[in-house]
Amino acid sequence: EAGVTQFPSHSVIEKGQTVTLRCDPISGHDNLYWYRRVMGKEIKFLLHFVKESKQDESGMPNNRFLAERTGGTYSTLKVQPAELEDSGVYFCASSQVGGLEAFFGQGTRLTVV
Amino acid sequence: AQSVAQPEDQVNVAEGNPLTVKCTYSVSGNPYLFWYVQYPNRGLQFLLKYITGDNLVKGSYGFEAEFNKSQTSFHLKKPSALVSDSALYFCAVRDPSGYALNFGKGTSLLVTP
Repeated sequence: EAGVTQFPSHSVIEKGQTVTLRCDPISGHDNLYWYRRVMGKEIKFLLHFVKESKQDESGMPNNRFLAERTGGTYSTLKVQPAELEDSGVYFCASSQVGGLEAFFGQGTRLTVV
Repeated sequence: AQSVAQPEDQVNVAEGNPLTVKCTYSVSGNPYLFWYVQYPNRGLQFLLKYITGDNLVKGSYGFEAEFNKSQTSFHLKKPSALVSDSALYFCAVRDPSGYALNFGKGTSLLVTP
């Protein structure tokens, strides 16, 4: 069974540009999460989808970040326009309904220059 | 608010020796506690969890963790370290009523031959 996959694995963009990250959760997992780790700091929760609905987006840093999960399958996280402080590793995770552990993807390393 | 602390940025252990990676938590109520590991260029992998029951929890790759309510700790342990255990280890806590994980900043484990 395929795990959580994220695309791209790395992205380098200039300040002011737009970047879209994609996450494909484990098939059948209704819960999907986005997290971010800024260099050397904690991994921080961004938001949580249940199917296509945003259940909790309390961790989204500002309105430059937009997450979608149309159809309740894969999810995208768009940063527009990107700022230097957005650099970090963005993790996606998924879990079953009622599942206790979340399964993480390998992350997307975003560098804004 | 829930939080975890990993007081050590790095832990160095000789192969064959026991290892301990420390984690303390701060929550109201009964926590769900997790350990994840990140190997180089890989995603976060679930190691083990404590939900309820026996304070000693066994997980993947020979790791175990001991839940200590009086000391609010959940230290990760392994009786005999392997060089291949070298990785970044994250402790996390989750409120039973929610889904978001709160991570510590991670501890880099280096096992030397």
